[in-house]
Amino acid sequence: GESVGLHLPTLSVQEGDNSIINCAYSNSASDYFIWYKQESGKGPQFIIDIRSNMDKRQGQRVTVLLNKTVKHLSLQIAATQPGDSAVYFCAEMEYGNKLVFGAGTILRVKS
Amino acid sequence: EPEVTQTPSHQVTQMGQEVILRCVPISNHLYFYWYRQILGQKVEFLVSFYNNEISEKSEIFDDQFSVERPDGSNFTLKIRSTKLEDSAMYFCASSGDGRGGIQYFGAGTRLSVL
Repeated sequence: GESVGLHLPTLSVQEGDNSIINCAYSNSASDYFIWYKQESGKGPQFIIDIRSNMDKRQGQRVTVLLNKTVKHLSLQIAATQPGDSAVYFCAEMEYGNKLVFGAGTILRVKS
Repeated sequence: EPEVTQTPSHQVTQMGQEVILRCVPISNHLYFYWYRQILGQKVEFLVSFYNNEISEKSEIFDDQFSVERPDGSNFTLKIRSTKLEDSAMYFCASSGDGRGGIQYFGAGTRLSVL
Protein backbone atom coordinates (compact mmCIF):
# COMPACT_ATOMS: atom_id res chain seq x y z
CA GLY A 1 0.00 0.00 0.00
CA GLU A 2 0.93 3.61 -0.24
CA SER A 3 2.90 5.01 2.64
CA VAL A 4 1.48 7.97 4.48
CA GLY A 5 3.14 10.23 6.99
CA LEU A 6 2.50 9.59 10.63
CA HIS A 7 0.65 12.19 12.64
CA LEU A 8 2.72 12.06 15.79
CA PRO A 9 1.13 12.85 19.13
CA THR A 10 2.47 16.05 20.62
CA LEU A 11 3.07 16.82 24.25
CA SER A 12 3.48 20.49 25.13
CA VAL A 13 4.83 21.30 28.57
CA GLN A 14 5.96 24.40 30.36
CA GLU A 15 9.65 24.68 31.14
CA GLY A 16 10.29 23.30 34.60
CA ASP A 17 7.28 20.97 34.60
CA ASN A 18 7.55 17.20 34.49
CA SER A 19 6.83 15.35 31.24
CA ILE A 20 5.41 11.87 30.81
CA ILE A 21 5.63 10.19 27.43
CA ASN A 22 3.83 6.89 26.91
CA CYS A 23 4.41 3.98 24.60
CA ALA A 24 2.66 0.68 23.93
CA TYR A 25 4.76 -2.19 22.64
CA SER A 26 3.55 -5.18 20.72
CA ASN A 27 5.63 -8.25 21.51
CA SER A 28 5.00 -9.83 24.90
CA ALA A 29 8.24 -11.83 24.47
CA SER A 30 10.40 -8.68 24.26
CA ASP A 31 12.74 -8.41 27.22
CA TYR A 32 14.68 -5.24 26.53
CA PHE A 33 13.39 -1.74 25.90
CA ILE A 34 15.04 1.55 25.10
CA TRP A 35 14.02 5.18 24.89
CA TYR A 36 15.63 7.33 22.23
CA LYS A 37 15.50 11.07 21.61
CA GLN A 38 15.72 12.41 18.08
CA GLU A 39 16.39 16.06 17.38
CA SER A 40 15.77 17.53 13.96
CA GLY A 41 18.35 16.37 11.44
CA LYS A 42 20.06 13.99 13.86
CA GLY A 43 20.08 10.30 14.59
CA PRO A 44 18.33 8.67 17.54
CA GLN A 45 20.18 9.37 20.78
CA PHE A 46 20.06 6.82 23.62
CA ILE A 47 18.36 8.07 26.78
CA ILE A 48 17.66 5.10 29.03
CA ASP A 49 16.96 1.39 28.84
CA ILE A 50 15.21 -1.22 30.95
CA ARG A 51 15.08 -4.99 31.02
CA SER A 52 11.93 -6.95 31.57
CA ASN A 53 13.01 -8.16 35.01
CA MET A 54 12.62 -4.57 36.26
CA ASP A 55 9.63 -2.28 36.40
CA LYS A 56 11.44 1.00 37.03
CA ARG A 57 14.80 2.47 36.24
CA GLN A 58 16.11 5.94 36.97
CA GLY A 59 18.71 8.03 35.24
CA GLN A 60 19.64 11.65 35.44
CA ARG A 61 16.31 13.53 35.32
CA VAL A 62 14.69 10.58 33.52
CA THR A 63 12.77 7.56 34.74
CA VAL A 64 11.44 4.67 32.70
CA LEU A 65 8.51 2.60 33.92
CA LEU A 66 7.62 -0.78 32.47
CA ASN A 67 4.25 -2.48 32.87
CA LYS A 68 4.51 -5.89 31.27
CA THR A 69 0.92 -6.80 32.09
CA VAL A 70 -0.42 -4.21 29.69
CA LYS A 71 2.71 -3.94 27.52
CA HIS A 72 3.25 -0.30 28.35
CA LEU A 73 6.33 1.86 28.78
CA SER A 74 6.57 5.40 29.99
CA LEU A 75 9.35 7.95 30.09
CA GLN A 76 9.26 10.60 32.77
CA ILE A 77 11.42 13.71 32.41
CA ALA A 78 11.78 15.84 35.51
CA ALA A 79 12.09 19.62 35.31
CA THR A 80 11.76 19.67 31.53
CA GLN A 81 14.09 22.07 29.76
CA PRO A 82 13.95 23.67 26.29
CA GLY A 83 16.79 21.35 25.22
CA ASP A 84 14.49 18.41 25.82
CA SER A 85 12.35 19.42 22.85
CA ALA A 86 12.59 16.55 20.35
CA VAL A 87 10.80 13.45 19.11
CA TYR A 88 10.94 10.58 21.60
CA PHE A 89 10.79 6.95 20.49
CA CYS A 90 10.45 3.81 22.50
CA ALA A 91 11.98 0.69 20.99
CA GLU A 92 11.78 -3.00 21.84
CA MET A 93 14.51 -5.45 20.97
CA GLU A 94 13.55 -8.55 19.03
CA TYR A 95 15.44 -11.51 17.65
CA GLY A 96 18.77 -10.69 16.05
CA ASN A 97 19.16 -7.48 18.07
CA LYS A 98 16.56 -5.91 15.83
CA LEU A 99 15.07 -2.77 17.35
CA VAL A 100 11.40 -2.18 16.61
CA PHE A 101 10.61 1.49 17.06
CA GLY A 102 7.33 3.03 18.07
CA ALA A 103 5.79 5.88 16.14
CA GLY A 104 7.25 8.60 18.36
CA THR A 105 5.95 11.52 20.40
CA ILE A 106 6.86 15.14 19.82
CA LEU A 107 7.80 16.96 23.02
CA ARG A 108 7.55 20.75 22.87
CA VAL A 109 8.83 22.75 25.82
CA LYS A 110 7.46 26.23 26.22
CA SER A 111 9.64 28.82 27.91
CA GLU B 1 33.04 10.68 23.45
CA PRO B 2 33.10 7.91 20.83
CA GLU B 3 30.48 8.23 18.14
CA VAL B 4 29.24 6.58 14.98
CA THR B 5 30.08 8.66 11.93
CA GLN B 6 28.33 8.46 8.59
CA THR B 7 29.23 9.84 5.18
CA PRO B 8 27.98 11.52 3.15
CA SER B 9 25.38 13.49 5.06
CA HIS B 10 23.32 13.88 1.90
CA GLN B 11 23.46 11.77 -1.27
CA VAL B 12 21.52 12.63 -4.38
CA THR B 13 21.29 10.01 -7.10
CA GLN B 14 19.36 9.13 -10.21
CA MET B 15 16.94 6.22 -10.19
CA GLY B 16 18.70 3.03 -11.21
CA GLN B 17 22.12 4.14 -10.01
CA GLU B 18 24.14 2.37 -7.36
CA VAL B 19 24.91 4.09 -4.08
CA ILE B 20 27.18 3.21 -1.21
CA LEU B 21 26.55 4.66 2.20
CA ARG B 22 29.44 4.61 4.59
CA CYS B 23 29.69 4.27 8.33
CA VAL B 24 32.49 4.16 10.84
CA PRO B 25 31.14 2.40 13.94
CA ILE B 26 32.47 2.97 17.44
CA SER B 27 35.90 1.40 17.46
CA ASN B 28 35.52 -1.45 19.95
CA HIS B 29 32.01 -2.41 18.88
CA LEU B 30 31.34 -5.76 17.25
CA TYR B 31 27.69 -5.50 16.18
CA PHE B 32 26.56 -3.26 13.35
CA TYR B 33 23.19 -2.25 12.02
CA TRP B 34 21.44 -0.26 9.33
CA TYR B 35 18.05 1.36 9.80
CA ARG B 36 16.10 3.72 7.61
CA GLN B 37 13.50 6.39 8.22
CA ILE B 38 11.27 7.54 5.42
CA LEU B 39 10.23 11.16 5.96
CA GLY B 40 7.52 11.37 8.58
CA GLN B 41 7.58 7.66 9.35
CA LYS B 42 9.03 5.29 11.93
CA VAL B 43 12.63 4.20 12.09
CA GLU B 44 12.72 0.75 10.44
CA PHE B 45 15.29 -2.01 10.88
CA LEU B 46 17.11 -3.14 7.75
CA VAL B 47 19.92 -5.47 8.78
CA SER B 48 22.22 -6.54 11.60
CA PHE B 49 25.79 -7.74 11.07
CA TYR B 50 28.21 -9.60 13.31
CA ASN B 51 31.39 -11.55 12.71
CA ASN B 52 31.34 -10.67 9.01
CA GLU B 53 27.90 -12.14 8.51
CA ILE B 54 24.37 -10.88 8.36
CA SER B 55 22.62 -11.90 11.59
CA GLU B 56 19.13 -10.73 10.74
CA LYS B 57 17.51 -8.81 7.92
CA SER B 58 14.08 -7.36 7.31
CA GLU B 59 11.75 -7.78 4.34
CA ILE B 60 12.94 -4.39 3.12
CA PHE B 61 16.49 -5.71 2.76
CA ASP B 62 16.02 -7.46 -0.58
CA ASP B 63 18.55 -8.48 -3.21
CA GLN B 64 19.17 -4.86 -4.13
CA PHE B 65 20.78 -4.26 -0.74
CA SER B 66 24.08 -5.53 0.56
CA VAL B 67 26.37 -4.76 3.48
CA GLU B 68 30.07 -5.12 3.86
CA ARG B 69 32.83 -4.50 6.35
CA PRO B 70 35.67 -4.02 3.89
CA ASP B 71 38.30 -3.25 6.52
CA GLY B 72 38.62 -2.94 10.27
CA SER B 73 36.79 0.35 10.53
CA ASN B 74 34.18 0.86 7.81
CA PHE B 75 30.73 -0.64 7.47
CA THR B 76 28.91 0.03 4.20
CA LEU B 77 25.40 -0.29 2.82
CA LYS B 78 25.11 -0.67 -0.95
CA ILE B 79 21.93 -0.24 -2.93
CA ARG B 80 22.52 -1.64 -6.42
CA SER B 81 19.77 -0.03 -8.41
CA THR B 82 18.03 2.72 -6.50
CA LYS B 83 14.31 3.28 -6.72
CA LEU B 84 12.32 6.40 -5.86
CA GLU B 85 10.98 4.70 -2.75
CA ASP B 86 14.52 4.23 -1.43
CA SER B 87 14.58 7.94 -0.62
CA ALA B 88 14.97 8.12 3.16
CA MET B 89 17.35 8.81 6.01
CA TYR B 90 19.66 5.85 6.52
CA PHE B 91 21.10 5.37 9.98
CA CYS B 92 24.02 3.22 10.93
CA ALA B 93 24.28 1.94 14.50
CA SER B 94 26.72 -0.15 16.47
CA SER B 95 26.76 -1.91 19.81
CA GLY B 96 29.42 -3.48 21.95
CA ASP B 97 27.24 -6.29 23.21
CA GLY B 98 24.87 -8.57 21.43
CA ARG B 99 21.57 -9.26 23.05
CA GLY B 100 20.53 -6.20 24.98
CA GLY B 101 23.47 -4.03 24.05
CA ILE B 102 22.79 -0.32 23.62
CA GLN B 103 22.79 0.62 19.96
CA TYR B 104 24.40 3.96 19.24
CA PHE B 105 23.30 5.73 16.10
CA GLY B 106 25.06 7.96 13.64
CA ALA B 107 23.61 11.23 12.38
CA GLY B 108 22.39 9.55 9.20
CA THR B 109 22.70 9.92 5.45
CA ARG B 110 19.82 11.51 3.61
CA LEU B 111 19.38 9.64 0.33
CA SER B 112 17.40 11.43 -2.35
CA VAL B 113 16.56 9.38 -5.45
CA LEU B 114 15.42 11.48 -8.41
